[in-house]
Amino acid sequence: AQSVTQLDSQVPVFEEAPVELRCNYSSSVSVYLFWYVQYPNQGLQLLLKYLSGSTLVESINGFEAEFNKSQTSFHLRKPSVHISDTAEYFCAVSGGAQKLVFGQGTRLTINP
Amino acid sequence: DVKVTQSSRYLVKRTGEKVFLECVQDMDHENMFWYRQDPGLGLRLIYFSYDVKMKEKGDIPEGYSVSREKKERFSLILESASTNQTSMYLCASSLLVPSQPQHFGDGTRLSIL
Repeated sequence: AQSVTQLDSQVPVFEEAPVELRCNYSSSVSVYLFWYVQYPNQGLQLLLKYLSGSTLVESINGFEAEFNKSQTSFHLRKPSVHISDTAEYFCAVSGGAQKLVFGQGTRLTINP
Repeated sequence: DVKVTQSSRYLVKRTGEKVFLECVQDMDHENMFWYRQDPGLGLRLIYFSYDVKMKEKGDIPEGYSVSREKKERFSLILESASTNQTSMYLCASSLLVPSQPQHFGDGTRLSIL
């Protein structure tokens, strides 16, 4: 069985500051890892995913995440955030089954 | 783009009513899922289906049932709604490959009075 822990329920940062949203997982098998973003009053959208290969994956809007197998982590980072990044972010893991296991979510708040 | 459409954005029902939440996807995905989302708890899987007329229980199936008569449509049924089922409900679909992401609808915010 897999599990996901997002270590921060809320992260407030100032605009143009860097941010890291932390995600740790546990699994006894090889995993696929995902970050989803949920803007207010919307469903979840895929932000980026790790399937295999390079451990650093990037999204089109400047986010990146690094798969660290030894630390079982998949932290999400952005070097400079914008007001429009205000959203809730979910880390998820798939261990080969059809289901995803989600973390509890991290609410990112950007202050001007 | 994949489109997952949930029939209602907001719904208000009374305790004891039978409630239907409908979800339609247009990308011929085999898998469909129903989640509920509550603050601090993330997304919890209620039921999923990998084929027509097939269903599997998720983590919190009690009080819910599902129906999948056509590949593109997956319905969630609250047999007798209770106030503790007030929540945001999200539908998702995906291909029958674990490495493929799930695509979500915009959600239905259900209030049971």
